[in-house]
Amino acid sequence: QKEVEQDPGPLSVPEGAIVSLNCTYSNSAFQYFMWYRQYSRKGPELLMYTYSSGNKEDGRFTAQVDKSSKYISLFIRDSQPSDSATYLCAMSAGNSGGSNYKLTFGKGTLLTVNP
Amino acid sequence: DAGITQSPRHKVTETGTPVTLRCHQTENHRYMYWYRQDPGHGLRLIHYSYGVKDTDKGEVSDGYSVSRSKTEDFLLTLESATSSQTSVYFCAIAPYNSPLHFGNGTRLTVT
Repeated sequence: QKEVEQDPGPLSVPEGAIVSLNCTYSNSAFQYFMWYRQYSRKGPELLMYTYSSGNKEDGRFTAQVDKSSKYISLFIRDSQPSDSATYLCAMSAGNSGGSNYKLTFGKGTLLTVNP
Repeated sequence: DAGITQSPRHKVTETGTPVTLRCHQTENHRYMYWYRQDPGHGLRLIHYSYGVKDTDKGEVSDGYSVSRSKTEDFLLTLESATSSQTSVYFCAIAPYNSPLHFGNGTRLTVT
């Protein structure tokens, strides 16, 4: 079983739709959870960062972590064509840099929002 | 780009030749990382550094070496490039208590 599983999609939605992106993981040591957005031919850009279980909201984006189920989600409300990108989940056991902060990534989900 | 510059942005090289990729940061962060990104594999850690002259291996370090002689520069060397090292290489920095920030990558093709 891979440490982090993410459905690669592709996912295609109409503008204004609510998008749900998900990852599951197997390592109980993961405490820090991130979502990155990656546009074509660019580096990953940090979108959301959460610690342990719970919800975090930032504008149209909501990140959820359920550590009991080892499941994380990213919701995008009122999706826009500019949200079209690959979304990567990432997680780590620590946040202090070095070996404690090596991220384990999902393979990414390609999202297209159609006008 | 979080103050990270990767060079070159694109490179084509032949099998068996050495190749060095450079990552330069302007923010004086202690931790720097090299990842590769491949279809079907996602982002995988090659090497990382926790200070000048202090480096350690990641999960896919075979065939790669790194050096960090200055805080701002982290070099990745492919000692004898192979076609399996065709990939996009990303450098990242770790600001204090903050997730990794990535550069825009170097696209390497080994023919």
